[in-house]
Amino acid sequence: QKEVEQNSGPLSVPEGAIASLNCTYSDRGSQSFFWYRQYSGKSPELIMSIYSNGDQEDGRFTAQLNKASQYVSLLIRDSQPSDSATYLCAVNAGGGADGLTFGKGTHLIIQP
Amino acid sequence: DTEVTQTPKHLVMGMTNKKSLKCEQHMGHRAMYWYKQKAKKPPELMFVYSYEKLSINESVPSRFSPECPNSSLLNLHLHALQPEDSALYLCASSVGTKGQPQHFGDGTRLSIL
Repeated sequence: QKEVEQNSGPLSVPEGAIASLNCTYSDRGSQSFFWYRQYSGKSPELIMSIYSNGDQEDGRFTAQLNKASQYVSLLIRDSQPSDSATYLCAVNAGGGADGLTFGKGTHLIIQP
Repeated sequence: DTEVTQTPKHLVMGMTNKKSLKCEQHMGHRAMYWYKQKAKKPPELMFVYSYEKLSINESVPSRFSPECPNSSLLNLHLHALQPEDSALYLCASSVGTKGQPQHFGDGTRLSIL
């Protein structure tokens, strides 16, 4: 059974601070890892993809992967109120045309 | 707005009705997916099409019937649905079949009376 675990929150962060979101996964053979942002009533929007150990940066977002610990994280620097949303960690296990297994999501609130 | 287009955006239907959800992408993606998302839950995979062939069916009841007429189009045919099938139905596509990121459409919000 493939499982992806996230703290559901809410995680409250002051505006301008760094928001840190974490995710663990159970399938050691997992190869592709993604972070999606979902606003209430909207569909998931891809923010970051990461495939190898280390950091992947895109603007204010940094994804980190540690396959030995089966751990993925997302850092959001200079958090803005518009970053308030649910962040979904998603894992593709086989590297093929498998669907994604999602965590339950972390509800992030950026306090102005 | 996304490059994966889903229609209709909203659908209300009775338990005896037959309806279809449509998904279209013109990005040349060769894998397409259907997910179901209930309120305050993550998306759950229903079906995967790879190069227009059904490759994964996650034990979905037969009242949901997927169809992939061509590489750009994905349908989900609905028949004799139950109230618990009310949810947001999401279509996604990806470039290929090597674990590339999936891009979601805006979804169809389905209500079963």
